[in-house]
Amino acid sequence: GIQVEQSPPDLILQEGANSTLRCNFSDSVNNLQWFHQNPWGQLINLFYIPSGTKQNGRLSATTVATERYSLLYISSSQTTDSGVYFCAVTSGNTPLVFGKGTRLSVIA
Amino acid sequence: DTAVSQTPKYLVTQMGNDKSIKCEQNLGHDTMYWYKQDSKKFLKIMFSYNNKELIINETVPNRFSPKSPDKAHLNLHINSLELGDSAVYFCASSQDVRVSYNEQFFGPGTRLTVL
Repeated sequence: GIQVEQSPPDLILQEGANSTLRCNFSDSVNNLQWFHQNPWGQLINLFYIPSGTKQNGRLSATTVATERYSLLYISSSQTTDSGVYFCAVTSGNTPLVFGKGTRLSVIA
Repeated sequence: DTAVSQTPKYLVTQMGNDKSIKCEQNLGHDTMYWYKQDSKKFLKIMFSYNNKELIINETVPNRFSPKSPDKAHLNLHINSLELGDSAVYFCASSQDVRVSYNEQFFGPGTRLTVL
């Protein structure tokens, strides 16, 4: 089945810093989603982005499907950005397959 | 209004008991899912239902039985609970029967602790 690898596994940022999270996948995808799991455990949809670029406030994402990766950019990070960021994909008829996540800690 | 809701939010129970988790979505979606998140935060699909019919059943013990009374509800019943069942269970939904194409929306999760 499709493999999803996220990097880095852990990231510590000073408030106000920018960061890039990466998601590599091993096959062509139909669906790619980025989620933020906040410290209370809620999974929040950030982007549905099987290809192209999208922006939402301080967050933006780019998926280059032909090269099998997606990037999530966080600018001017805030402490509320802390949590785990997941990339998840579907390929063919597979269900949503999640990466292991990037744990982000933003310190004041 | 909450799009995908689950009850209860927390569930603490003894080994051997039977318990249920309920899920409801008000998005008008046709497809609903159950995912399990283990202690290492790894998320994995368990089941998927489309319009009350089972379409995905990953390798899950028979003690887990999903039930969909209508397309807005997907409940998860677990028999003879074991310590290893302790996890966070997420319900999700998406619009279309073409499982792989549509954005999925997740409920708040149910943290199950088996003592």
